[in-house]
Amino acid sequence: DGGITQSPKYLFRKEGQNVTLSCEQNLNHDAMYWYRQDPGQGLRLIYYSQIVNDFQKGDIAEGYSVSREKKESFPLTVTSAQKNPTAFYLCASRDSRSNTEAFFGQGTRLTVV
Amino acid sequence: AQSVTQLDSHVSVSEGTPVLLRCNYSSSYSPSLFWYVQHPNKGLQLLLKYTSAATLVKGINGFEAEFKKSETSFHLTKPSAHMSDAAEYFCVVISRSGGSYIPTFGRGTSLIVHP
Repeated sequence: DGGITQSPKYLFRKEGQNVTLSCEQNLNHDAMYWYRQDPGQGLRLIYYSQIVNDFQKGDIAEGYSVSREKKESFPLTVTSAQKNPTAFYLCASRDSRSNTEAFFGQGTRLTVV
Repeated sequence: AQSVTQLDSHVSVSEGTPVLLRCNYSSSYSPSLFWYVQHPNKGLQLLLKYTSAATLVKGINGFEAEFKKSETSFHLTKPSAHMSDAAEYFCVVISRSGGSYIPTFGRGTSLIVHP
């Protein structure tokens, strides 16, 4: 089945540690996105990538980093510089050549203690 | 630039009554518009989409939406609510911005369905 997979579903980390969230898709989409979701704030764009080896900052990129070494994979690292990292993180992908819909993973809930 | 405004943070209805979730958008180019549904701790599922074809769009689970360019609106409706419709709903606009297509989300509307 084609789809987009995020792992793990739940993640706990101590304050000050970096943590990497995985996102893999087999939809052959060139564009991938990371969003952060907090209650009452909708989804805010962290980073996006339109093509392998290239990515752009979104609205709230500070304290996060990404890489796009393969078309299928777009991991997100939450660094210790992110002041309030506890949130629900969603990864999405889509065909960037047109205005078609995005497909979403099931999300990762990160809790930093 | 593009933006989406969902006019209600919460909508409460009784089971069997109509549902209306409101969405207004702004976009410099002809937009594509989408509604997604999210159940607790889950990803987002596409309900329906408008991509410049028919202005009245039918989606899954009995939902539909009408694109009104003059009002810059894309409201989501359903004739009769079901308990399983209780969820968070997001209106999304995608239009061209600096050579890229970036999905922009509204803040979401929480639909509460009472028995």
